[in-house]
Amino acid sequence: ETGVTQTPRHLVMGMTNKKSLKCEQHLGHNAMYWYKQSAKKPLELMFVYSLEERVENNSVPSRFSPECPNSSHLFLHLHTLQPEDSALYLCASSQAPGQAFYEQYFGPGTRLTVT
Amino acid sequence: AQSVAQPEDQVNVAEGNPLTVKCTYSVSGNPYLFWYVQYPNRGLQFLLKYITGDNLVKGSYGFEAEFNKSQTSFHLKKPSALVSDSALYFCAVRGYNDYKLSFGAGTTVTVRA
Repeated sequence: ETGVTQTPRHLVMGMTNKKSLKCEQHLGHNAMYWYKQSAKKPLELMFVYSLEERVENNSVPSRFSPECPNSSHLFLHLHTLQPEDSALYLCASSQAPGQAFYEQYFGPGTRLTVT
Repeated sequence: AQSVAQPEDQVNVAEGNPLTVKCTYSVSGNPYLFWYVQYPNRGLQFLLKYITGDNLVKGSYGFEAEFNKSQTSFHLKKPSALVSDSALYFCAVRGYNDYKLSFGAGTTVTVRA
């Protein structure tokens, strides 16, 4: 596997379910990100991890819980979601998160539908 | 606060014609600017970036972008568009020492044969 991978690619869940999204980067980066992409809206940054430490949390509801066990893996745990949480969830990674000139590399995303 | 505006939701061009996708930005200090492309059911792919130096930046797949500090713009260009360039294009800006990469809403490019 190369680049950034995400599983599952598609997920349908009820509002009372608990599920997790997984992201893995094979680029040797030390920063990882979760974004939410909704139709006709700019990408929304949710969480940033630098060397497994959360450095940014953009006022995301507690029903989204991130976990970064090491610099290659990132999870997003989902619980008691709402229909408006249906979106494409993108994971990204980069080198040196504090250095603005490094580009981010994105995974293919998980298409989440909350019923 | 930093922000990006992509004034056109959609751009339509004929194959072989020049393609321009517009982007303006707002950020404190020097900007770090990026263009990404997204194909259907895929993540974002990095095209090019401006950090410093020459105002004309060359990137992947024949794309280039021109940084204009006075107009706070970073327009994406391609001299001769291909049908395969049809996709969703995002401009993004980041300030120095800022974790946050702010994206525009995206511009859908359609290249007709």
